[in-house]
Amino acid sequence: KNQVEQSPQSLIILEGKNCTLQCNYTVSPFSNLRWYKQDTGRGPVSLTIMTFSENTKSNGRYTATLDADTKQSSLHITASQLSDSASYICVAQTGYALNFGKGTSLLVTP
Amino acid sequence: DSGVTQTPKHLITATGQRVTLRCSPRSGDLSVYWYQQSLDQGLQFLIQYYNGEERAKGNILERFSAQQFPDLHSELNLSSLELGDSALYFCASSSGLAGVHEQYFGPGTRLTVT
Repeated sequence: KNQVEQSPQSLIILEGKNCTLQCNYTVSPFSNLRWYKQDTGRGPVSLTIMTFSENTKSNGRYTATLDADTKQSSLHITASQLSDSASYICVAQTGYALNFGKGTSLLVTP
Repeated sequence: DSGVTQTPKHLITATGQRVTLRCSPRSGDLSVYWYQQSLDQGLQFLIQYYNGEERAKGNILERFSAQQFPDLHSELNLSSLELGDSALYFCASSSGLAGVHEQYFGPGTRLTVT
């Protein structure tokens, strides 16, 4: 069964600090790994997309890594801002299907 | 603003009823995807259309159906509604059929079944 597990479930950090979110996936065949940011009650917004041959991809203060051998990915947020408070969703694609994790809820406090 | 529009924003209806959710993709995008997001669940892929044809099916109930019209807008029909169908329904669009094409999500329709 295709699965995507994220940790931690929730996280609280101080503004300006860094944090790393984790994602483990078991999907086959693997196509690509995506990270989305979803503000409460709004549609997800894409942060990064990585194929199996890519190890790292950055989008501003967001840097995603991928280890296709261990089937793990991480999303590192640098110098967090209050606007980073959101749910971060890891998605592993196989064929046409996107398999979503349940997300990590991040709260950045002043 | 992703360029994907969904109507209505909110919908409140009773059990047993039928509703239709509408999605207009970004200009030029041929693929439309429908997703369901419940409180205790992550996003669940329901169905994908590409240029008017159904191309992939996920966890879509038989009570649900969808279609994509020649102008590329799509509708998701939910019938015999149950309390458990209460959720956020998102539409997304992309330019391609599969692979690494970016998916752009609409603002969603919040369905409440009472």
